[in-house]
Amino acid sequence: GDSVTQMEGPVTLSEEAFLTINCTYTATGYPSLFWYVQYPGEGLQLLLKATKADDKGSNKGFEATYRKETTSFHLEKGSVQVSDSAVYFCALSSQGGSEKLVFGKGTKLTVNP
Amino acid sequence: NAGVTQTPKFQVLKTGQSMTLQCAQDMNHNSMYWYRQDPGMGLRLIYYSASEGTTDKGEVPNGYNVSRLNKREFSLRLESAAPSQTSVYFCASGRWGYNQPQHFGDGTRLSIL
Repeated sequence: GDSVTQMEGPVTLSEEAFLTINCTYTATGYPSLFWYVQYPGEGLQLLLKATKADDKGSNKGFEATYRKETTSFHLEKGSVQVSDSAVYFCALSSQGGSEKLVFGKGTKLTVNP
Repeated sequence: NAGVTQTPKFQVLKTGQSMTLQCAQDMNHNSMYWYRQDPGMGLRLIYYSASEGTTDKGEVPNGYNVSRLNKREFSLRLESAAPSQTSVYFCASGRWGYNQPQHFGDGTRLSIL
């Protein structure tokens, strides 16, 4: 079945450091890929998405590129802020839209001033 | 805009008690979902409703029932609560078939003693 593997956390960084959270997937066909963010005490919010190979999703300084050859969708940000502290989830939808999302286990990021 | 509203936000039950978690969305979405979030497990799909009048099992349906009351509302029922059902429950909605992201509520934190 479809699955998502993302790097184990927690990740602790200093403000202005570079962030990478790795995500790889297994799916049939051509899935859509998503990064969701969950701030403390809140639900999940869509951070960015990509729907086909070589697409780059971006939002709030975060970026991720859909790499079909390596089945990856790594999340990056050049300079993190304290307000970026949250749990980040990589997810896929194998039916091409947002139907029946399959999530990774989440990576908790803490950014210290 | 309210988006996806879940009630209650917190609940404590005793083993064997029953409870219904309520979810309503005001975005005119056709699909709705129930997930549970457990530490180190990410989000796992319990049940979903692709459209009004239909419901289907997700990854972890045992011990739960759902009702799609109308287009706006999708409830999750625990008939006889067990400690293993202690979790944070999230409802989400989306537009099935339109390649758009799911929108999440803020969650219900449920503890079963």
